[in-house]
Amino acid sequence: AQTVTQSQPEMSVQEAETVTLSCTYDTSENNYYLFWYKQPPSRQMILVIRQEAYKQQNATENRFSVNFQKAAKSFSLKISDSQLGDTAMYFCAFMKQSGATNKLIFGTGTLLAVQP
Amino acid sequence: GAGVSQSPRYKVAKRGQDVALRCDPISGHVSLFWYQQALGQGPEFLTYFQNEAQLDKSGLPSDRFFAERPEGSVSTLKIQRTQQEDSAVYLCASSLERSNTGELFFGEGSRLTVL
Repeated sequence: AQTVTQSQPEMSVQEAETVTLSCTYDTSENNYYLFWYKQPPSRQMILVIRQEAYKQQNATENRFSVNFQKAAKSFSLKISDSQLGDTAMYFCAFMKQSGATNKLIFGTGTLLAVQP
Repeated sequence: GAGVSQSPRYKVAKRGQDVALRCDPISGHVSLFWYQQALGQGPEFLTYFQNEAQLDKSGLPSDRFFAERPEGSVSTLKIQRTQQEDSAVYLCASSLERSNTGELFFGEGSRLTVL
């Protein structure tokens, strides 16, 4: 079975600074996807960034980037130039590439507070 | 609609009551998922539909939970004889294709409180 672990329940960062959220996972699969989702107080989950396991290059989306270490099964999210609107719960998630159900397996989340 | 719509947003039920939660996915989306999110936790998978077919219900916690999507669009999650441990936010998500690369579009959820 796959598991996703986020060891930081809460993080705080000053506006315009950089913060890194940690995520580790466990799987015996070789092909899979990893994601970071953001859940603001309104509760609607939004995809932040996606990484295909077969790609060695780390994914980037504007101020968001990941450090994907496949051998270590680590997938951290770096947020640069933090903004107040980045305040939210951040969930790391895993999805097998094969199988009948493309279900996401989520970690327990990290609550990020961006301070003015 | 423009996004995934869920209703009701909030539901308070007395223990033992039956509840029904509705999900209206994005038009044309083939895949539909239900997740349960307990307070302070990440979402946990309940069930998955591809069009009207329920292909995976391995996450449903008991036989009190039932989901359907009869016409391959709107889905209903029904919980019979609610218990306090059923209190959670129930999230619905949809995606365009089965073999997608993982981007699910989530609704705002239905918060169920069982007294």
